Amino acid sequence: AQSVTQLGSHVSVSEGALVLLRCNYSSSVPPYLFWYVQYPNQGLQLLLKYTTGATLVKGINGFEAEFKKSETSFHLTKPSAHMSDAAEYFCAVTTRSNDYKLSFGAGTTVTVRA
Amino acid sequence: DAGVTQSPTHLIKTRGQHVTLRCSPISGHKSVSWYQQVLGQGPQFIFQYYEKEERGRGNFPDRFSARQFPNYSSELNVNALLLGDSALYLCASSLAAPASNSPLHFGNGTRLTVT
Repeated sequence: AQSVTQLGSHVSVSEGALVLLRCNYSSSVPPYLFWYVQYPNQGLQLLLKYTTGATLVKGINGFEAEFKKSETSFHLTKPSAHMSDAAEYFCAVTTRSNDYKLSFGAGTTVTVRA
Repeated sequence: DAGVTQSPTHLIKTRGQHVTLRCSPISGHKSVSWYQQVLGQGPQFIFQYYEKEERGRGNFPDRFSARQFPNYSSELNVNALLLGDSALYLCASSLAAPASNSPLHFGNGTRLTVT
């Protein structure tokens, strides 16, 4: 079975500062990794995904993530935070052997200070 | 194009009652999945349907059931509601059978409150 752990349930950053959200995964087979964002009273929106190939993945809204197999990590970053980045972020993992059903982390809430 | 639509958006039920939640996938999408998101937690997988057949079931009791119709819309049914069933229920659709290159598109969810 696969799982993800998101380190830090809350992250507070200043506008213009680096955003770093940490995600570590556990999987006995090659994982597919995702980051989703959820705004209040809305569903989840896909930010980016890693399947195979290039380990640095670029997504929407200036976010990117790097798959590091040796560290079993898939951390999400954005160089400069914007007020509109305030939301909850979820890391998720799936595998072919699990019929691609997603397992989500507990989420990290990001607040952006003016 | 319309995204994944779910109805109702909010629902209040009493313990012991049953509830039916509805989901219409994005046009052309044949796969629907259901997730439960309890407040403060990440979504938990409930069911996955593809071409009207159940393709997967999460660790939920038999009180939870679902089906997919010929037009690919779906219903999630929960019987004998418990307080712990209070959650945001998310429906997601994908173009093909869930695969790495067929990402899930989520609806805005149905907020169920059980009193």
